[in-house]
Amino acid sequence: SQQGEEDPQALSIQEGENATMNCSYKTSINNLQWYRQNSGRGLVHLILIRSNEREKHSGRLRVTLDTSKKSSSLLITASRAADTASYFCATDDWGEKLTFGTGTRLTIIP
Amino acid sequence: EAGVAQSPRYKIIEKRQSVAFWCNPISGHATLYWYQQILGQGPKLLIQFQNNGVVDDSQLPKDRFSAERLKGVDSTLKIQPAKLEDSAVYLCASSLGQAREKLFFGSGTQLSVL
Repeated sequence: SQQGEEDPQALSIQEGENATMNCSYKTSINNLQWYRQNSGRGLVHLILIRSNEREKHSGRLRVTLDTSKKSSSLLITASRAADTASYFCATDDWGEKLTFGTGTRLTIIP
Repeated sequence: EAGVAQSPRYKIIEKRQSVAFWCNPISGHATLYWYQQILGQGPKLLIQFQNNGVVDDSQLPKDRFSAERLKGVDSTLKIQPAKLEDSAVYLCASSLGQAREKLFFGSGTQLSVL
């Protein structure tokens, strides 16, 4: 079963704009991770945020976590063509399993 | 650092045939995962190994799927017999410790069952 659900399912923006995608989940979590998947490739880990953290940055990425709303957002600033990919959130629910969401397909228009 | 290696890259079989996938994780990574990713969906965990022991196989269809991890390193995933609904990408991933953090994925095996 899918724990996380990303929103929107698909997003197209102009190069240089910011992209925001959201993830909602259902149960209490230990941490939440974001992964990127380029077409035909495996997933690449982007960033991890723990349940006691509210915001985290890594380069052009900013992740927020609101455990009261069971939601997270991933912001990619100053988007580039190379950011075109699918983005997945994954939740670690305290010792059970790492469960991936349904993904957001991001297209950057040059 | 070498990544997670998977083979074959593509496989086409007919229903009721058998197929096997191979995975070589990153050296030193104790935990190995097999995920199934159906087109347009997120990866779904099939089985998780800690060294050569199974941690979680609750979503593995055990009547047709089997997996093993020999000597805590390489792993094989087998499907016998295959069904049409098994068409998917099978992803192998590994992580350094027991915590399910920062998984490294291989490029996957794309399976088509006709």
